[in-house]
Amino acid sequence: DVKVTQSSRYLVKRTGEKVFLECVQDMDHENMFWYRQDPGLGLRLIYFSYDVKMKEKGDIPEGYSVSREKKERFSLILESASTNQTSMYLCASRLGTGNEAFFGQGTRLTVV
Amino acid sequence: ILNVEQSPQSLHVQEGDSTNFTCSFPSSNFYALHWYRWETAKSPEALFVMTLNGDEKKKGRISATLNTKEGYSYLYIKGSQPEDSATYLCASHNTNAGKSTFGDGTTLTVKP
Repeated sequence: DVKVTQSSRYLVKRTGEKVFLECVQDMDHENMFWYRQDPGLGLRLIYFSYDVKMKEKGDIPEGYSVSREKKERFSLILESASTNQTSMYLCASRLGTGNEAFFGQGTRLTVV
Repeated sequence: ILNVEQSPQSLHVQEGDSTNFTCSFPSSNFYALHWYRWETAKSPEALFVMTLNGDEKKKGRISATLNTKEGYSYLYIKGSQPEDSATYLCASHNTNAGKSTFGDGTTLTVKP
């Protein structure tokens, strides 16, 4: 079974802190994604990566950056956390375009 | 941003009822349509990957159809059970570029 693991299930951070959310997949997938999910807004794409060191902005990249130094790991970085970044963050990976995505368990981030 | 719409937003049915919901997506440059089930406290899991106009897929009591010319897909659940309670998401891939767009989901509650 494909496993996508996010480093934390719950996080509480202070406004202005730099926050790292880590995601690791174990199936040699090319594509990896970061989404956030807010009530009534569905899944919104923050960033995605289709190869090591490659990244593309999604629909809501402002306030975020990403890093993909190794194929299995995709990190989401909040440079200076703000309260409006309180959300559920989901990482996903897939083999390639059109293939099903496999999701991590989610990280519920609260910024106070 | 592609506009992927799901309806209804939520649905409450009795155990044993059959139900269906809709995903609408832009038909131009269609590549693939995915359905996911997202149960509370779990990760979204893929139900179906659909690519061809007229596709029909089935998994147990759940089935889906696809019309790429008019840009919609239906998900059907026959004889709903409480364990079917979840949010059902669709995601449209409309180019070969790598990213997909999710709808906001339909939340199904099946009462015993």
